[in-house]
Amino acid sequence: DQQVKQNSPSLSVQEGRISILNCDYTNSMFDYFLWYKKYPAEGPTFLISISSIKDKNEDGRFTVFLNKSAKHLSLHIVPSQPGDSAVYFCAAKASGTYKYIFGTGTRLKVLA
Amino acid sequence: NAGVTQTPKFQVLKTGQSMTLQCAQDMNHEYMSWYRQDPGMGLRLIHYSVGAGITDQGEVPNGYNVSRSTTEDFPLRLLSAAPSQTSVYFCASNEIRDRQETQYFGPGTRLLVL
Repeated sequence: DQQVKQNSPSLSVQEGRISILNCDYTNSMFDYFLWYKKYPAEGPTFLISISSIKDKNEDGRFTVFLNKSAKHLSLHIVPSQPGDSAVYFCAAKASGTYKYIFGTGTRLKVLA
Repeated sequence: NAGVTQTPKFQVLKTGQSMTLQCAQDMNHEYMSWYRQDPGMGLRLIHYSVGAGITDQGEVPNGYNVSRSTTEDFPLRLLSAAPSQTSVYFCASNEIRDRQETQYFGPGTRLLVL
């Protein structure tokens, strides 16, 4: 049972446009969410996080939106750059636990 | 700071062999964890530790042992390697500050079990 789902395996976006990566979860106990970027042959790099007490968190070109009623979060990258081409993972954990559950990832390709 | 370091980068084992994957961090983080990444599966938590002397199981702990004798080190042991353990292994440590968590990953160990 996949508790964190990234239903789009890949996404292509033109340079300068917005990239929107989506993530859905099923466990209503999840209250902290993180996004990572991963290049080939490297470890994931933390991008941005959001707690369930917020519905939006912004850091530079990256914004994460959380819709608790829909159990859905999204990562917006504006403007997209070729260096953003990577695999993006979302992860979630429940309050009082230390177990992060990862989605299967979305491969983003930003076209120059 | 070196961050999170992992050794070796690559390893080939025969079925039944044992080995230890090393992980160290120099950021004084209490929380450390091990994941494996398989094609199409994302990252799955194997074991984690919330401090020296304290470890617990994640999603896929079978076939792996861990210990945490110091804050800095969190080795992962495969007692009897199986082909199903062929994977890329990532170690991570977490910083918790002002109720914000940031997770730092090592570069990974690619393991092939024949």
